[in-house]
Amino acid sequence: DAKTTQPTSMDCAEGRAANLPCNHSTISGNEYVYWYRQIHSQGPQYIIHGLKNNETNEMASLIITEDRKSSTLILPHATLRDTAVYYCIVKGLYSGGGADGLTFGKGTHLIIQP
Amino acid sequence: DGGITQSPKYLFRKEGQNVTLSCEQNLNHDAMYWYRQDPGQGLRLIYYSQIVNDFQKGDIAEGYSVSREKKESFPLTVTSAQKNPTAFYLCASSMVGDRNTEAFFGQGTRLTVV
Repeated sequence: DAKTTQPTSMDCAEGRAANLPCNHSTISGNEYVYWYRQIHSQGPQYIIHGLKNNETNEMASLIITEDRKSSTLILPHATLRDTAVYYCIVKGLYSGGGADGLTFGKGTHLIIQP
Repeated sequence: DGGITQSPKYLFRKEGQNVTLSCEQNLNHDAMYWYRQDPGQGLRLIYYSQIVNDFQKGDIAEGYSVSREKKESFPLTVTSAQKNPTAFYLCASSMVGDRNTEAFFGQGTRLTVV
């Protein structure tokens, strides 16, 4: 699976949009981009995933560049409860399925400031 | 509600003792996984199972053992052979097959060996 690069940490003001970047320049055609987050001392929580089209759900939006080499997770109106470590993961469709294809790096520590 | 449950949340053991961590899911997922997380680090895969009575080693299986006698249950035993067992342990489950799906994580067990 392709490797990802994320900033170590980011700050965002409460109520503003939080934009978390991720580089995955070696992504291949059948690999999806997944985002998870982990609040301190809890299990990771799935946020969103996509292949090449932009995706939106009740939690966030995922914007993938046309060349698929980078993506941005957008939390439209960040709250204090969004403070967490956010993991960007690239996973192949046929890499065993599910979590065994999920390689978690150190992620981005997003801190929402009041 | 459907979900994945780990117990206990906190566990203390003396050095040299084996300890078993519980993981149960009622999501009807075929695949289950165990990860280990150390402070400030990402998750590392210990073992995974995609079908009952079968399991595979992950990246750091030494000193651990698992069983998968039922679809719903995937207990992890931390043996005395594990050199540094103090860590946060996370269990996950997902569907398998030729479609990408999200993984669901439990809330973790924090094991401290003294």
